[in-house]
Amino acid sequence: GAVVSQHPSWVICKSGTSVKIECRSLDFQATTMFWYRQFPKQSLMLMATSNEGSKATYEQGVEKDKFLINHASLTLSTLTVTSAHPEDSSFYICSARRRENEQFFGPGTRLTVL
Amino acid sequence: GENVEQHPSTLSVQEGDSAVIKCTYSDSASNYFPWYKQELGKRPQLIIDIRSNVGEKKDQRIAVTLNKTAKHFSLHITETQPEDSAVYFCAAYSSASKIIFGSGTRLSIRP
Repeated sequence: GAVVSQHPSWVICKSGTSVKIECRSLDFQATTMFWYRQFPKQSLMLMATSNEGSKATYEQGVEKDKFLINHASLTLSTLTVTSAHPEDSSFYICSARRRENEQFFGPGTRLTVL
Repeated sequence: GENVEQHPSTLSVQEGDSAVIKCTYSDSASNYFPWYKQELGKRPQLIIDIRSNVGEKKDQRIAVTLNKTAKHFSLHITETQPEDSAVYFCAAYSSASKIIFGSGTRLSIRP
């Protein structure tokens, strides 16, 4: 199967700082990537759809100014959590779409905000 | 909006017995239904999927059924083994190619 990587795999930061998470499709081009957030013992919740060369589409209730998404190339999407607070601590997972009904997940990034 | 409901939230079965997880979806335009297995701290792994033009699909000990009229689909695991213990998510692809996940089922296999 296709490979999607995420970096970093985990990060600890102080409250008020910003954190950038990268999602890369290593062996295919992805015009669309998705960002999910997963709290402990909960399901994956779609945050936004990242489209190469255009603005991301955010799900209802997700603050676009807090979760900045940039999809600058066909293999890279970034999620920046701005002014992070402890309640932003979560497991963030991206997925990359290769073709219709075919998405591949990254390994996830565990964010802990102190 | 689109919604996927999943039951039960937890399931404990004796090793060797069968496990069944059920889901319903709301978007009648959904046409693809994957099932994922997730171990703690790891990414979801696709274990089986089914498309809306098929009623049943089987892969060794795992099978999935789909009732498009009722908007129900189910995962069946037979001859369960300890390594089947994990959290399982059903999902439905919306018309916008977004994956809508169910709430998850924590499956425990008792030795």
